[in-house]
Amino acid sequence: GENVEQHPSTLSVQEGDSAVIKCTYSDSASNYFPWYKQELGKRPQLIIDIRSNVGEKKDQRIAVTLNKTAKHFSLHITETQPEDSAVYFCAAITGNQFYFGTGTSLTVIP
Amino acid sequence: GAVVSQHPSRVICKSGTSVKIECRSLDFQATTMFWYRQFPKKSLMLMATSNEGSKATYEQGVEKDKFLINHASLTLSTLTVTSAHPEDSSFYICSASTGGWYIHFGPGTRLTVL
Repeated sequence: GENVEQHPSTLSVQEGDSAVIKCTYSDSASNYFPWYKQELGKRPQLIIDIRSNVGEKKDQRIAVTLNKTAKHFSLHITETQPEDSAVYFCAAITGNQFYFGTGTSLTVIP
Repeated sequence: GAVVSQHPSRVICKSGTSVKIECRSLDFQATTMFWYRQFPKKSLMLMATSNEGSKATYEQGVEKDKFLINHASLTLSTLTVTSAHPEDSSFYICSASTGGWYIHFGPGTRLTVL
């Protein structure tokens, strides 16, 4: 089955700096890669996603890149703000099976 | 649209009792529902996948006799934690899918077993 690894597990950045979270996957058949943000005590929310036929996608301060050859994809948050503080986790989807990364706790220091 | 609710949001029970958690898709029909367990500041651990009208598929290491899942209709799935013990205390989240790539999460249920 698929194996998704996520790094780092914790990340602290100064407000205004960029944050990068990376995930690797093992199954080349995985073809959809969403990223979720979960604030404390709330449900996970989809923030951005990318399909296997696309290399990069951007939505305002958030971008995701995918390298199919190397089997890794990354979340980039620019100009971080305190409200970006949350747990972020990636997922790789094969068929209709979701495989989640282990999560990254991001803290943005004002 | 695509709202998923969970009930209860919080439950405290005594050790040895059973607890039922409901997951409902409010405005769409969910052919597949997923149940997860989550520890503080950690990612989701998939427990099982349930398809309407069929038996749930459990992930390795998850006791199906302890975590009973029923997906009786296209809008309702239930997770029953049987004979709960303190180590079962956790945050349980469900998600629902219409069969495609997009899943919608419930708000979660905080279970505390005394």
